[in-house]
Amino acid sequence: DVKVTQSSRYLVKRTGEKVFLECVQDMDHENMFWYRQDPGLGLRLIYFSYDVKMKEKGDIPEGYSVSREKKERFSLILESASTNQTSMYLCASSPRLRGRPNYGYTFGSGTRLTVV
Amino acid sequence: SQKIEQNSEALNIQEGKTATLTCNYTNYSPAYLQWYRQDPGRGPVFLLLIRENEKEKRKERLKVTFDTTLKQSLFHITASQPADSATYLCALVWAGNMLTFGGGTRLMVKP
Repeated sequence: DVKVTQSSRYLVKRTGEKVFLECVQDMDHENMFWYRQDPGLGLRLIYFSYDVKMKEKGDIPEGYSVSREKKERFSLILESASTNQTSMYLCASSPRLRGRPNYGYTFGSGTRLTVV
Repeated sequence: SQKIEQNSEALNIQEGKTATLTCNYTNYSPAYLQWYRQDPGRGPVFLLLIRENEKEKRKERLKVTFDTTLKQSLFHITASQPADSATYLCALVWAGNMLTFGGGTRLMVKP
């Protein structure tokens, strides 16, 4: 089974800190994604990557950056954490879906980040 | 603007009945539609995918329909069990790789 592992289940950080959220997948997937999930707002895409060193902005990239130096690892960086970035962060991976219609995204268990 | 709508109110049903969840979308032309299950505090888990040229897909007690004319998908769980209680998310696949999620519907199955 594909596994997507997020480094922390819970994190508490102070306002202004630089925060790194790490995600590793073990199935050689091309695509990796970072979402945040908030009550009433659903899943919102922050950034995605379709290859090593490639990144694309999602719907809400402000205040975030990403890094993908290796195919299996996709990092989300909060440059200067703020209280409005308190949220559940979910990493996901998938193969390229075109031509592979039976695959969904595989999600990690999430990191609940609290910024105080 | 593009929208994916799922009933935000929880659906409460009795064990053994069929649960039916609805996903409506506007201003999309999705190639595929997917359904996910999410338990509290966990990431979503992929359940089923249906293509635009398929009317219906089944997997064990799950059935999904996809009507591109109505721009609607229905997700059915037959013979529902308390263990089916969770939030169910629909998601549209477009532009080859991109997935956009609805807000989810919480299902509560009472014994």
